Amino acid sequence: DAGVIQSPRHEVTEMGQEVTLRCKPISGHNSLFWYRQTMMRGLELLIYFNNNVPIDDSGMPEDRFSAKMPNASFSTLKIQPSEPRDSAVYFCASSFGTRTEAFFGQGTRLTVV
Amino acid sequence: DQQVKQNSPSLSVQEGRISILNCDYTNSMFDYFLWYKKYPAEGPTFLISISSIKDKNEDGRFTVFLNKSAKHLSLHIVPSQPGDSAVYFCAASDDNQGGKLIFGQGTELSVKP
Repeated sequence: DAGVIQSPRHEVTEMGQEVTLRCKPISGHNSLFWYRQTMMRGLELLIYFNNNVPIDDSGMPEDRFSAKMPNASFSTLKIQPSEPRDSAVYFCASSFGTRTEAFFGQGTRLTVV
Repeated sequence: DQQVKQNSPSLSVQEGRISILNCDYTNSMFDYFLWYKKYPAEGPTFLISISSIKDKNEDGRFTVFLNKSAKHLSLHIVPSQPGDSAVYFCAASDDNQGGKLIFGQGTELSVKP
C-alpha cells in the first residue's frame, strides 16, 4: 500500500481564495483525521470521520472550514475564503479500529498571502 | 483546552546518553498512549505505544513509561543517536471516542555527536 496520500504537497494562494486539500486514506482503514500543525498547539485535530461519517468537528476553527468524505477512499478539507492566519501544514491520517496507531500523509504546506 | 501537554519545546542530548521526553495529560478517560516521531517535511510516524493497563513498554532503544496516578508518560531513548534528532509528539486516545488521537505540542530533540 502507498500509505496515506495527500495533495497538493504545497499550495500558495491569495487571501480570499478558496483552497481544497485532498486525502486518500489507506485502503481498509475506517477512520480518517485532519490535523493542522502549529507552533503553539502542535498537532491540532480539526475533524475526524468514522466509516465516512463526521464524528467530531469541534476542532474546525470557524465556518470558513469544511470537510467531506464522500466515500471510503477520499476526503477533502476546504477553506473558503482563505486568510493568512490559515497558513500551516495540514495533515491527513487514517487508522483502523481503536487502540491503534494512525498513519499520516506527508502533509500539505499551505501559504496564504 | 490542551488535554495533552509537552512542556519542553526542545531538548539537547549528547550522543550515547539517555534522552527523556515528558508528556502530561488531563483527561482521566484516556486509555491508550502513543509516541510519534517527525522529521522536517514529512508526516509523523508511529514509534511506540502503551495501554493504560501497563506501566511500561519497551521496543529496542525506546521505552515508554506510564504513571496513571500522575497522568504522566515519558519516552526514554537509550542510547541516543544523531538520527534520533526530530520532533517527538505524544498522543492519547479514549476508547469511547472511536480512536481519535489528541496530540501534544511536540518536543524537538537534538542529539549532538
